Amino acid sequence: GAVVSQHPSWVICKSGTSVKIECRSLDFQATTMFWYRQFPKQSLMLMATSNEGSKATYEQGVEKDKFLINHASLTLSTLTVTSAHPEDSSFYICSARDQDSGYNNEKLFFGSGTQLSVL
Amino acid sequence: SQQGEEDPQALSIQEGENATMNCSYKTSINNLQWYRQNSGRGLVHLILIRSNEREKHSGRLRVTLDTSKKSSSLLITASRAADTASYFCATDQGGKLIFGQGTELSVKP
Repeated sequence: GAVVSQHPSWVICKSGTSVKIECRSLDFQATTMFWYRQFPKQSLMLMATSNEGSKATYEQGVEKDKFLINHASLTLSTLTVTSAHPEDSSFYICSARDQDSGYNNEKLFFGSGTQLSVL
Repeated sequence: SQQGEEDPQALSIQEGENATMNCSYKTSINNLQWYRQNSGRGLVHLILIRSNEREKHSGRLRVTLDTSKKSSSLLITASRAADTASYFCATDQGGKLIFGQGTELSVKP
């Protein structure tokens, strides 16, 4: 099946710094990618939809200036957590659909996630 | 929640037993999907059931969908220790997948 690669797997940073997370579709093109956030033992909360070549669509309550999303190519989306604070510590997961897979293209392929710890 | 409720929140069973997880949702759907997540990892797609389907099987997995009650269930038969994970249902809302709260399944050998 399609593979989504997410890096880094974990990152520790100081409060006030910015952190960039990359999400790549390795063997398919993705015009749309999705960024989720997950707290321990909780569900995934959709943060934003990343659209190739255009602005991301953010969910209600998600600060777009805080969580910068760039989707500059059909295989790469990045999420930058700007001026990170301890409350931004969380598990961030990206996902994408293989839109060329035909009939069964509704399912999402997920990256392995990034654990962010802000000190 | 963005989506709805799943129950139970946690389930602990012995290897070989069946595990049933339930999911309720709030909106009209085109399809409902189930995913599995091992601790600290991304999610893996298990099965998709469309709104015009009532039951679907895939290996040891059986999914039912009742659109009148806005609910779905996932049954894992003859469970194995390797089935230990969190299981989430998700509904497609305008192209976005919205996830339920999840069930944490523990299968003891």
